[in-house]
Amino acid sequence: DSGVTQTPKHLITATGQRVTLRCSPRSGDLSVYWYQQSLDQGLQFLIQYYNGEERAKGNILERFSAQQFPDLHSELNLSSLELGDSALYFCASSVGGLAGTDTQYFGPGTRLTVL
Amino acid sequence: LAKTTQPISMDSYEGQEVNITCSHNNIATNDYITWYQQFPSQGPRFIIQGYKTKVTNEVASLFIPADRKSSTLSLPRVSLSDTAVYYCLVAPNAGGTSYGKLTFGQGTILTVHP
Repeated sequence: DSGVTQTPKHLITATGQRVTLRCSPRSGDLSVYWYQQSLDQGLQFLIQYYNGEERAKGNILERFSAQQFPDLHSELNLSSLELGDSALYFCASSVGGLAGTDTQYFGPGTRLTVL
Repeated sequence: LAKTTQPISMDSYEGQEVNITCSHNNIATNDYITWYQQFPSQGPRFIIQGYKTKVTNEVASLFIPADRKSSTLSLPRVSLSDTAVYYCLVAPNAGGTSYGKLTFGQGTILTVHP
C-alpha cells in the first residue's frame, strides 16, 4: 500500500459524458501527478500540481483539466469523453516538486471504460 | 526533452541476474534516471534512482556510464515474483521550461521462468 488513494476504482460511462477522478496523496506529500495508461500508449504523463499550483504539463488534452485543493487532494476532470479515453488513470504523489529526484508513490488507479 | 528506449521484453530464469538497459541519448545535464516496477493492474513502484556511476540498494543496482546516454538496471538472482514491467524515467531536478514532460520509457516486460 503506497498510501495514495484513488476513487473510484472503476468507472463506466458513455461517450460525450464528463467524469471526475479523485486522488488523495500520502500524508505530507505536496505534489500530485496524473498519468494515463492505455495498452498502446504506455504510461503518459498528464499534469503535475505542487502545493495547489500547476507545476508541469504533459500531453493533457484540452478536454481534460485538473486541480489541487487546499487539503492537497486532487481531481482530474475528463469531459466530452471519447472511446479512446478508455484507460487506467494513475495518480502519484511525492514530497517535493521535482520529479527528477523525488520518489513518486503511485495509487492503485482508476479504470475508465467509455462505451 | 529526453526520449527513452527500452527492449520490449526479456526472458530469464529463477536465480539468474537480469540486466535491462534504457537508452536516453539526449539526456540533459540536470536529468536524473529513475526505474519503476509495475505489476498488472497496479501502480508503478520505485526501484532505484541515480545520476551517474553506480547506485545499489537492497533490491537492485543501477549502472550509468560517464556519458549518461544509457542506464542499466541490474536485478540479482531474480525470482518468479520479479515478473513485471520495468520502466525507466528521465526527469530533471530543476524547474523551468524544460520541465514540461516526464518521459517514461515504453517499459520492458520481464518474464521469469521456473
